[in-house]
Amino acid sequence: AQKVTQAQTEISVVEKEDVTLDCVYETRDTTYYLFWYKQPPSGELVFLIRRNSFDEQNEISGRYSWNFQKSTSSFNFTITASQVVDSAVYFCALALEEWANNLFFGTGTRLTVIP
Amino acid sequence: GAVVSQHPSRVICKSGTSVKIECRSLDFQATTMFWYRQFPKQSLMLMATSNEGSKATYEQGVEKDKFLINHASLTLSTLTVTSAHPEDSSFYICSAWGLAGGPADTQYFGPGTRLTVL
Repeated sequence: AQKVTQAQTEISVVEKEDVTLDCVYETRDTTYYLFWYKQPPSGELVFLIRRNSFDEQNEISGRYSWNFQKSTSSFNFTITASQVVDSAVYFCALALEEWANNLFFGTGTRLTVIP
Repeated sequence: GAVVSQHPSRVICKSGTSVKIECRSLDFQATTMFWYRQFPKQSLMLMATSNEGSKATYEQGVEKDKFLINHASLTLSTLTVTSAHPEDSSFYICSAWGLAGGPADTQYFGPGTRLTVL
C-alpha cells in the first residue's frame, strides 16, 4: 500500500525566513513519482513539481528547492526567503504510474508567512 | 498552461435536492478526469475516476448512486450529488489528465466547488 506522511500540520514563519516542508512516503514499488502541489486560500491546487524515483537530483526553481532522498524515503520542499504569497497549504503526493492516474495525497502542511 | 474550470464555484442547496457540478478542460483534451472531496483542513480524497465514454470507477465507500458522474466528452465531466444532505457539504475538486497532445505529466486541478447543504 502507498502512504504519504506530512508530519507538520501547520508552520508559521516570518517573512524572509527559509522554511522546509517535510514529506515521507511509503511504497513497495521501485518505480514511482512524487509531486508537490500548492493550495492557496482560493482552493485551486497548483502543480509545483514532479520527480520520478530514478532521479535523485535535487532541483531548484527560483526560491523553491526540493531534496529527494530515497535512503530515507523523503521528498522535502524548501522555500527560501519566504513571502506572504507563499502562505498556502502544501500537499505532497505519490503516484505509481507515470501519467499520475492515481495520486496518493499527504494530509498537507499549512504554511503561514507572517509579514 | 493547462486550465481546468469548475462551475459553480459555490452552491448552497436545501436538503433533498440534487446538485450538478461541471468540470471542463479548457485548452486540452482530458482522457481521464478525477473527482475529489476535501473536508475542512483535510487532504483530498479521491472519489472516482472517469474516462471519456465509459462508466466511472468509484473508490471504496463512495456511493455510485449518490454521486453520479458523466464524462460525455473529452473536455467535460459532471458530478451530480443526488438527494444531497448536510453531510455531503464539502469542497469538491475535479482534475483532468490528458493525452493526445495534452499535458500528461500530472493531473491539472480545477478551482473547486464548495457545496453547502442546509
